[in-house]
Amino acid sequence: DAGVIQSPRHEVTEMGQEVTLRCKPISGHDYLFWYRQTMMRGLELLIYFNNNVPIDDSGMPEDRFSAKMPNASFSTLKIQPSEPRDSAVYFCASARVNSPLHFGNGTRLTVT
Amino acid sequence: DAKTTQPPSMDCAEGRAANLPCNHSTISGNEYVYWYRQIHSQGPQYIIHGLKNNETNEMASLIITEDRKSSTLILPHATLRDTAVYYCIVRFHSGGYQKVTFGTGTKLQVIP
Repeated sequence: DAGVIQSPRHEVTEMGQEVTLRCKPISGHDYLFWYRQTMMRGLELLIYFNNNVPIDDSGMPEDRFSAKMPNASFSTLKIQPSEPRDSAVYFCASARVNSPLHFGNGTRLTVT
Repeated sequence: DAKTTQPPSMDCAEGRAANLPCNHSTISGNEYVYWYRQIHSQGPQYIIHGLKNNETNEMASLIITEDRKSSTLILPHATLRDTAVYYCIVRFHSGGYQKVTFGTGTKLQVIP
């Protein structure tokens, strides 16, 4: 298996622009997680899905952030409009129930 | 989820055993102890997990105290490639509830 695939690896955008991060989970995994990592706040859970349904989005910072999972093999995290404080590494992870999380290599987002 | 406490940093000489402690004094009966590590800018990688018995795999050993309030991850012969941030987390194994949160971890520096 290719593992969890995230794209793009790096994204540089200007403040106010829309940003879309993409994730392809491992086939057969029914849980998908989005995390954000910064030096100040560490690794934060933003949202997680079970069978394509959002279960807990209490970590989503504000209405500018939204996440979707239209099918079992694809998820997006969208920021609109983006702000410099959104600069971070965003990780996607997938898992089977009660099994370890498998992380992608992340998307490094820089908002200028 | 129960909180965990880890030392912020540790050093270990190459070839020696690295013993990384974790305190999880509020762990409940159906929470497992998981260890992950994150090598510079990559996604966290699963190492090992356990409930109450000691566990060993090809990467490491996990020692959980009898009262389950603390655990130790052991890397038997540390190499320079083991330099990373190590995260100890506790996690419910419950069908629907899969929220997984990370603390600040221990930065392990393996010294030549």
